Amino acid sequence: AQTVTQSQPEMSVQEAETVTLSCTYDTSESDYYLFWYKQPPSRQMILVIRQEAYKQQNATENRFSVNFQKAAKSFSLKISDSQLGDAAMYFCAYLIGAGSYQLTFGKGTKLSVIP
Amino acid sequence: GAGVSQSPRYKVAKRGQDVALRCDPISGHVSLFWYQQALGQGPEFLTYFQNEAQLDKSGLPSDRFFAERPEGSVSTLKIQRTQQEDSAVYLCASSLGRYTDTQYFGPGTRLTVL
Repeated sequence: AQTVTQSQPEMSVQEAETVTLSCTYDTSESDYYLFWYKQPPSRQMILVIRQEAYKQQNATENRFSVNFQKAAKSFSLKISDSQLGDAAMYFCAYLIGAGSYQLTFGKGTKLSVIP
Repeated sequence: GAGVSQSPRYKVAKRGQDVALRCDPISGHVSLFWYQQALGQGPEFLTYFQNEAQLDKSGLPSDRFFAERPEGSVSTLKIQRTQQEDSAVYLCASSLGRYTDTQYFGPGTRLTVL
């Protein structure tokens, strides 16, 4: 079975500091896509960042960046200059490029931001 | 510029009742997905539509679950004879073209079966 593991159920960070959320995945496919989604308490899932597995360069979106280690099957999310609005559940997910339509999610990491 | 919308936002059903959950995807989006999210868990895939064609329904947990998208836009997830284990948040997502395009999620419908 293909899986996504988020080993940190909860994390906290001081406002303006940097935090890294961990994610590992298990797939034998070579063509796949990786995502981090944010789910605030209002429940609507929002895309934070996306990475195509064939791209060597790590994706960045403003204060959010990833460390994609393909050989280690690791896809961590770094949030810089943390803001109160970053507090949410963060889900790591992946999608295989062929043969499956299923976006597979991890169990999530609850991030708290301390003022 | 509306996003994905879902209705109702909350639904309470007595065990054994049938329910219908509606999803309005972003206009023009070809792909539509349904997910089930249990409390404290990540979403789990239920089914996928490309236009009106249901290409994958492998995640539907039982034959009590049925989804349709007859005109390639609005979709309905129907659950017959609801059971307590069906209690969850049901999320709908849509993407512009291929299933590998970024998925945009709706706010979900929280179903509680008593």
